[in-house]
Amino acid sequence: KQEVTQIPAALSVPEGENLVLNCSFTDSAIYNLQWFRQDPGKGLTSLLLIQSSQREQTSGRLNASLDKSSGRSTLYIAASQPGDSATYLCAVRRTGGFKTIFGAGTRLFVKA
Amino acid sequence: DADVTQTPRNRITKTGKRIMLECSQTKGHDRMYWYRQDPGLGLRLIYYSFDVKDINKGEISDGYSVSRQAQAKFSLSLESAIPNQTALYFCATSDPRDRAYEQYFGPGTRLTVT
Repeated sequence: KQEVTQIPAALSVPEGENLVLNCSFTDSAIYNLQWFRQDPGKGLTSLLLIQSSQREQTSGRLNASLDKSSGRSTLYIAASQPGDSATYLCAVRRTGGFKTIFGAGTRLFVKA
Repeated sequence: DADVTQTPRNRITKTGKRIMLECSQTKGHDRMYWYRQDPGLGLRLIYYSFDVKDINKGEISDGYSVSRQAQAKFSLSLESAIPNQTALYFCATSDPRDRAYEQYFGPGTRLTVT
């Protein structure tokens, strides 16, 4: 059974700092991994999707990596800003299946 | 306009009442999903539908039912609401032809059962 874990559950950093959010999963037979941003009381916004055959994806100040062999993905945020404050969730879709398993998220607070 | 919309956005209801949450999408996706989100637990799948005639239970379907009225519409019903169904409910869509099943979410419905 696939389990997805995000550590830490919460993180507070000063503005301008580069930071890494972690996502680990127990079953390496994945189809893709998706990172989302969720603002309080709002829906999920897709940030990056990495397919199983890819190692990383980049969008602006965000870079997501995928290492299936170790069951890990990281989301790197460069030069963090107060507007980056939100909860970040990772979600794993397994190979040959329809279900997507979500982590509980990391709540990020960037201090001005 | 948003690709995935949900109504209502907020709802307070009493125990035992029947509630319907509605979802509409303009992305043309075949697959639609209903999730609930509870603090600290991530999102859990309630029901999913691959097309109008194909509806399946997810991991926490007890106490819920769904209807896929059209490709673009997927409704979730709570037959007799109970307090532990208080949660944030999300509708989502995906399609194999769109960025390998990338999921698109609605804004959510915050449901409170008293």
